[in-house]
Amino acid sequence: GQQVMQIPQYQHVQEGEDFTTYCNSSTTLSNIQWYKQRPGGHPVFLIQLVKSGEVKKQKRLTFQFGEAKKNSSLHITATQTTDVGTYFCAADRGNTDKLIFGTGTRLQVFP
Amino acid sequence: DSGVTQTPKHLITATGQRVTLRCSPRSGDLSVYWYQQSLDQGLQFLIQYYNGEERAKGNILERFSAQQFPDLHSELNLSSLELGDSALYFCASNGQGAIWETQYFGPGTRLLVL
Repeated sequence: GQQVMQIPQYQHVQEGEDFTTYCNSSTTLSNIQWYKQRPGGHPVFLIQLVKSGEVKKQKRLTFQFGEAKKNSSLHITATQTTDVGTYFCAADRGNTDKLIFGTGTRLQVFP
Repeated sequence: DSGVTQTPKHLITATGQRVTLRCSPRSGDLSVYWYQQSLDQGLQFLIQYYNGEERAKGNILERFSAQQFPDLHSELNLSSLELGDSALYFCASNGQGAIWETQYFGPGTRLLVL
């Protein structure tokens, strides 16, 4: 079963509003990756976080790795219709060869 | 375009049948991953191959099998198909198969079992 929980499952926002999705694990993670999947498309890598407390920015997107390396967040400032899609976190616990994908957060942006 | 190709794009078949999905990794990539994405589900890791050898196994059913050939393309075989096997099947690749490497996903094969 899933060992990486992602919330919320769905989020509908008005264009211009902010959006945040959270990824939580009960165990310490070695690293975390974020992917975006547009409707009808395939997952596309966004970023990887490795260090405790790490914060990385990509234009309007801010990614954060928790101090305890058990959670992560993706924040989008001033959403645009091009941000529509499902955002997945994918985590590595360091003791397996597998990336565990979160359940994803589906973002809908209304113009 | 990620450089990963998958065929076919769509597949419609009946319960009890067997199908083969094909994946060609990006040029130079040695590792291939297979994922299943059902409706409203996340990505379920099935299996990983590196340079022809199985490297990691996820929630892959016994009715499913995969292999990676010397030219590095991979095939996922699904047999005794059930309605619940209807899903999007993605292949991804990366260079060395390391867990910290970016995975590049193909466009997927949409399987419908009737």
